[in-house]
Amino acid sequence: DTGVSQDPRHKITKRGQNVTFRCDPISEHNRLYWYRQTLGQGPEFLTYFQNEAQLEKSRLLSDRFSAERPKGSFSTLEIQRTEQGDSAMYLCASSLGGNEKLFFGSGTQLSVL
Amino acid sequence: KNEVEQSPQNLTAQEGEFITINCSYSVGISALHWLQQHPGGGIVSLFMLSSGKKKHGRLIATINIQEKHSSLHITASHPRDSAVYICAVHDTDKLIFGTGTRLQVFP
Repeated sequence: DTGVSQDPRHKITKRGQNVTFRCDPISEHNRLYWYRQTLGQGPEFLTYFQNEAQLEKSRLLSDRFSAERPKGSFSTLEIQRTEQGDSAMYLCASSLGGNEKLFFGSGTQLSVL
Repeated sequence: KNEVEQSPQNLTAQEGEFITINCSYSVGISALHWLQQHPGGGIVSLFMLSSGKKKHGRLIATINIQEKHSSLHITASHPRDSAVYICAVHDTDKLIFGTGTRLQVFP
């Protein structure tokens, strides 16, 4: 087991394009979280899954954002019609359950030009 | 006002110094995490606390639930401890993060 992996590590896109990120959590972990981090700030919660169920979404997650975890394993985060304000590091983390130690991926750095 | 406040925001130290980073929160929590983030983004969980004190090597984390306060201490600091240290609290099922404390330890 190699921990939480995210793909791609970097993504550069033009404004208005759609992008999709993938997160592969640690295999036995039920919880999967998505966070967004901008320079100099702490991560901000976006959404989380308990197995395949999306249990909470932040108000930061506008209608252009959608996340899925179809089989309770990997998850995807899609941003439609990207805007320059979407430029950030998108972090994924997983845990065995609530109130358990979190394991983070290395993140996907998105730059919207 | 942020729900999780850390102090100081920036901290420089000489190698060997004892370091304390503070975290105060305003929400009810079930657990508190201390995380370490190195340049390039990788985040590592150092501690998860719901009460009392935990120690791992040169790192010590304490929490006072009544005071809604936690501290992270680094004894005998070393340049490799240079990183951003982030406090995060479990509010129901999501984590709320502080903005981090940037620590630089000089030889």
